Amino acid sequence: EPEVTQTPSHQVTQMGQEVILRCVPISNHLYFYWYRQILGQKVEFLVSFYNNEISEKSEIFDDQFSVERPDGSNFTLKIRSTKLEDSAMYFCASSESGQGVNYGYTFGSGTRLTVV
Amino acid sequence: AQSVSQHNHHVILSEAASLELGCNYSYGGTVNLFWYVQYPGQHLQLLLKYFSGDPLVKGIKGFEAEFIKSKFSFNLRKPSVQWSDTAEYFCAVTTDSWGKFQFGAGTQVVVTP
Repeated sequence: EPEVTQTPSHQVTQMGQEVILRCVPISNHLYFYWYRQILGQKVEFLVSFYNNEISEKSEIFDDQFSVERPDGSNFTLKIRSTKLEDSAMYFCASSESGQGVNYGYTFGSGTRLTVV
Repeated sequence: AQSVSQHNHHVILSEAASLELGCNYSYGGTVNLFWYVQYPGQHLQLLLKYFSGDPLVKGIKGFEAEFIKSKFSFNLRKPSVQWSDTAEYFCAVTTDSWGKFQFGAGTQVVVTP
C-alpha cells in the first residue's frame, strides 16, 4: 500500500534555529497538507498546498512557516526561527484530488520536533 | 466555528470488553466524519468514514460507527476489544471535500490482557 514518508522521525533543534521537515507524498497525489499535534493537544491543520501554491492556511501558519515543493517528489515545511512552543509532532498528508477526503487521503507517520 | 469533542480522554478496559467512544461535532451543514487510529509509534490510520447513506458505517478491524444527525454524534464501537486495539483514537470532521480536517482531542484506549 502506498505510503506518505516523513523524515526525520525525530528532530531536536535549538531555539532560534531553522528546521526543515521533509515529506514524500504518494506519487500520483496532487494535494498536500501539514498538520501538527502538540503533546496532549488536538491534531491541528496548518496548511494545504496545490499547484505550487498555498490553497489554505490556519492562524498557526504565520510568517515563520513556509512550505515548498522543491522537486517532483518532496514537500517540505520550514520553520524559520524555532520557538519552544513549536515542539510538536508534525504530520504530512496527501490526497489524489481536490475531492481530498474521497480520494486516498493518507497521513505520514510524523516527525517529532523538539525545540530546546 | 466548527469543533469536535471527544468525551473520554483515557479509557482502560479488559480484553473482550465492549468499547464505545463518543464524538460530537458542532456544525450545522453537511459534514464528512472520520475515525482515525494511531498505534504507538505509527501514523494516523483511517478506521472508517461517513459521507452519506447508511448511518451505520463498518470499518476495519471490527470497528463500526453510527452517525446520528439529530445528536450531532458519530460514536465509535467495537463489541469485543483485543490487546492490539491499544491506541489513540481520533474523531475528525470535514465540512468540504478539500481535506481540511478538524480533529477531536483524541481518546487513549488501553486494553489490558
